[in-house]
Amino acid sequence: QVHLVQSGAEVKKPGASVKLSCKTSGYNFNSYGITWVRQAPGQGLEWMGWINSYNGHTNYAQKLQGRVTMTTDTSTTTAYMELRSLRSDDTAVYYCAKLASTGNAFDIWGQGTVVTVSS
Amino acid sequence: DIVMTHSPDSLAVSLGERATINCKSSQSVLYSSDNKNYVAWYQQKPGQPPKLLIYWASTRESGVPDRFSGSGSGTDFTLTISSLQAEDVAVYYCQQYYSTPPTFGQGTKVEIK
Repeated sequence: QVHLVQSGAEVKKPGASVKLSCKTSGYNFNSYGITWVRQAPGQGLEWMGWINSYNGHTNYAQKLQGRVTMTTDTSTTTAYMELRSLRSDDTAVYYCAKLASTGNAFDIWGQGTVVTVSS
Repeated sequence: DIVMTHSPDSLAVSLGERATINCKSSQSVLYSSDNKNYVAWYQQKPGQPPKLLIYWASTRESGVPDRFSGSGSGTDFTLTISSLQAEDVAVYYCQQYYSTPPTFGQGTKVEIK
C-alpha cells in the first residue's frame, strides 16, 4: 500500500527557513513525481511546485521562485521541501502528494505538516 | 494561469438526495491529441488531506463509491453525488492539470440540510 508520511509541525520566526520531509513507501519512487501543495487557515489549495523523482527536475510556482527548493533522496525514498525567508502569510498546512500514473492528478497525499510563522 | 471557478460556494442537501457541483475553467482543458479533459475532483474532510475522487473529468478513482460521478468537457464540469450520505460532508475541489501551474477551484462546501 502506498503511503506518504510527513514530518512534524514547525514553528518559525519571520525570516527563518523550514525544511519539510515526506517519506514514501509502497511504490517505485523513481517512477512518479512528487508535488507540494499548501493550504492557509480556512483557505483553498495552492500548488507550490513539483519534482521529478527520477532526475530531480523541478518546476516551482512563480510566486515562490527564489524562496523554495524541492529535492529528493532516492536512497531513502524521501522528498523534501525547503522554504526560506518565511513570512506570516506562509503559515499553512503543507502537503506532499504523489503524481498519478494517469496524467498529473495527485493520487496519494501525505497527512500534512502545520507550519506556523510568528514572531 | 487557468482559473477554475466553482458554483455554488456551498450547498445543503438532504440525506439521500442529489448534490451537484459545477466547475468552470477559464480556458478549455480538453487536450485534442488524446481527447481527454485534464480535470480532477478532490474531497477534503475537516482535518484531513484532500482525497482524489475523479480524474480525466469522469474516471472514478479505485475505491471511490459509485454515487460519485464526474461529467463535462472543454470548460464546464460537474461533480454529482447521486444520493448524499452523512460521510460525504466535505469541501470538494476541482483541479485542472492541463497546464502548469495546476490550479484548483475555490471549493464547494457540502452540508446536510
